[in-house]
Amino acid sequence: AQKITQTQPGMFVQEKEAVTLDCTYDTSDPSYGLFWYKQPSSGEMIFLIYQGSYDQQNATEGRYSLNFQKARKSANLVISASQLGDSAMYFCAMREGGDFGNEKLTFGTGTRLTIIP
Amino acid sequence: DGGITQSPKYLFRKEGQNVTLSCEQNLNHDAMYWYRQDPGQGLRLIYYSQIVNDFQKGDIAEGYSVSREKKESFPLTVTSAQKNPTAFYLCASSTLTINTEAFFGQGTRLTVV
Repeated sequence: AQKITQTQPGMFVQEKEAVTLDCTYDTSDPSYGLFWYKQPSSGEMIFLIYQGSYDQQNATEGRYSLNFQKARKSANLVISASQLGDSAMYFCAMREGGDFGNEKLTFGTGTRLTIIP
Repeated sequence: DGGITQSPKYLFRKEGQNVTLSCEQNLNHDAMYWYRQDPGQGLRLIYYSQIVNDFQKGDIAEGYSVSREKKESFPLTVTSAQKNPTAFYLCASSTLTINTEAFFGQGTRLTVV
């Protein structure tokens, strides 16, 4: 079974609009962390935002916020006021607590976001 | 400056040859990872290591080998047993706590001809 599922292969959004990128995850571990990364065409991976499984509030970082719904096992990324520079691949990732030696970081298949002027 | 360095950025090799990709970090991170990315695809874990002289297979370890003789270094060897080695390879490092992000290198694009 997929640990991280991103169901939107591609999205087109008008500049200045908000956009939500979907991510659902699967784990039986009560302790885990969820991450979002941005990958521009250059290939580098840029960390955007983090949400811990025990965090009571949704994480926010500038124009990025994470809509964390624990019961639904979803961690959607919301980008407000989109900009042309937001065009990139976006990956959701999870790191589970568990025993030592099991803290591997698992990625979803990504969503390609294109911002239209 | 602290960071993680992969070299080379582009690598061309003939089919049947082994090739080693370099990954070095000066962030004092315990954990290091190797991922493979195919065009338009996500990142798939090849190998990871949490401590010197120890490493674990990821989801697609067949045809690859690694070593972790020093904390700073985690080289990946793509062997001739790897059926389709042409891909973009990313190395990452992190602390062992789950609430810290992984830092990535710039990647190595390997093309086998």
